[in-house]
Amino acid sequence: EVQLVESGGDLVQPGRSLRLSCAASGFTFDDYAMHWVRQAPGKGLEWVSGISWNSNTIGYADSVKGRFTISRDNAKNSLYLQMHSLRAEDTALYYCAKDVHLAIAGQLDYWGQGTLVTVSS
Amino acid sequence: SSELTQDPAVSVALGQTVRITCQGDSLRRYYASWYQQKPGQAPVVVIYGQNNRPSGIPDRFSGSSSGNTASLTITGAQAEDEADYYCNSRDSSGHHLVFGGGTKLTVL
Repeated sequence: EVQLVESGGDLVQPGRSLRLSCAASGFTFDDYAMHWVRQAPGKGLEWVSGISWNSNTIGYADSVKGRFTISRDNAKNSLYLQMHSLRAEDTALYYCAKDVHLAIAGQLDYWGQGTLVTVSS
Repeated sequence: SSELTQDPAVSVALGQTVRITCQGDSLRRYYASWYQQKPGQAPVVVIYGQNNRPSGIPDRFSGSSSGNTASLTITGAQAEDEADYYCNSRDSSGHHLVFGGGTKLTVL
């Protein structure tokens, strides 16, 4: 059974940093691209970042480029999102999602339950 | 603003057929995927790629595409299909993804 379990969400002040993690199991992690997708309270889904199986291809939404860094450790079956200079508009539930291909195809067949990031003073 | 455009809300009578659409230039090149999200739950993919339906998704869900428009069709909508539906695809750069704004489906 595929499982994606996010962690690391917290209440943080504007300007601070936070690191999210996603522990994957039930599939061969290094065979697939992975993504972070967020959802602000009462709003729609927003793609944040994606990474190919070998980390050679990485993409970021314009809203987070230069502040967030995605990475993966295939030996640990884990995906990460390092977030810096957090803003109130980054407040959201952050989902980890698995792609159906090793490259960034954008077809997300499994999602975690999300971890909540709240940016507020 | 989103590069994929969806109607904010659609309604369908129980047992009838409904089509939810998604428009965007990137759909001329890339397939759309469709996700169902019920309140308080994570999204679930219902259609991906060229009309691929994951195991466990009822066959009343189907996808199609023409030009810059992708469609999700539910043939014989059930009460449990009431949810928010989102489309997504790669954007024109190929390395970024984009989601539509979502369509709230009400089953009457």
